[in-house]
Amino acid sequence: AQKVTQAQTEISVVEKEDVTLDCVYETRDTTYYLFWYKQPPSGELVFLIRRNSFDEQNEISGRYSWNFQKSTSSFNFTITASQVVDSAVYFCALKASGNTPLVFGKGTRLSVIA
Amino acid sequence: KAGVTQTPRYLIKTRGQQVTLSCSPISGHRSVSWYQQTPGQGLQFLFEYFSETQRNKGNFPGRFSGRQFSNSRSEMNVSTLELGDSALYLCASSLNSGTNTYTDTQYFGPGTRLTVL
Repeated sequence: AQKVTQAQTEISVVEKEDVTLDCVYETRDTTYYLFWYKQPPSGELVFLIRRNSFDEQNEISGRYSWNFQKSTSSFNFTITASQVVDSAVYFCALKASGNTPLVFGKGTRLSVIA
Repeated sequence: KAGVTQTPRYLIKTRGQQVTLSCSPISGHRSVSWYQQTPGQGLQFLFEYFSETQRNKGNFPGRFSGRQFSNSRSEMNVSTLELGDSALYLCASSLNSGTNTYTDTQYFGPGTRLTVL
């Protein structure tokens, strides 16, 4: 069975601080996919990034970066120089290959204070 | 390209009633999945449809059902509503090649917020 743990329920930072959101996953599959989604107050889940289990390269996109480490089953997300617009709930998700559902963590609510 | 659309956005029903929610996927996407989001349980998978067939189902009672039409649009139905069905219902679509060897990214709609009184 697949499982995603986001141990941080809520994080509050002051604008311009860096913040890292943790994600730990469990799966027995050798082929799987990891995702991060952002959910602003409007409710829609916005796709941020996807990684497959064979690609451990870290990714940077503007102020966002992701660190994927299979050795620790982690896929952490860092926002550099946070902004108020980054305030949202962030979800990490896991999907094994084949007809399996996307499994979400409980989410981390990030509040960036001006 | 237009995103995933869901109608209605908000709905208020009373216990015992039934409700139908609609989802239009991104053009060209063939797979539609439904999720229920509540503060207590988080995001839970309801079911997935591909080519008008239910391909996967989550652990929900039979009161929750769905279908997909030939144009990939999907509906989900909840009968005999209970207070605990109050939630945000999210629909997601993916391109989905239909094979078991590749996973497409799911793109989500804005959701339908259902309140059961």
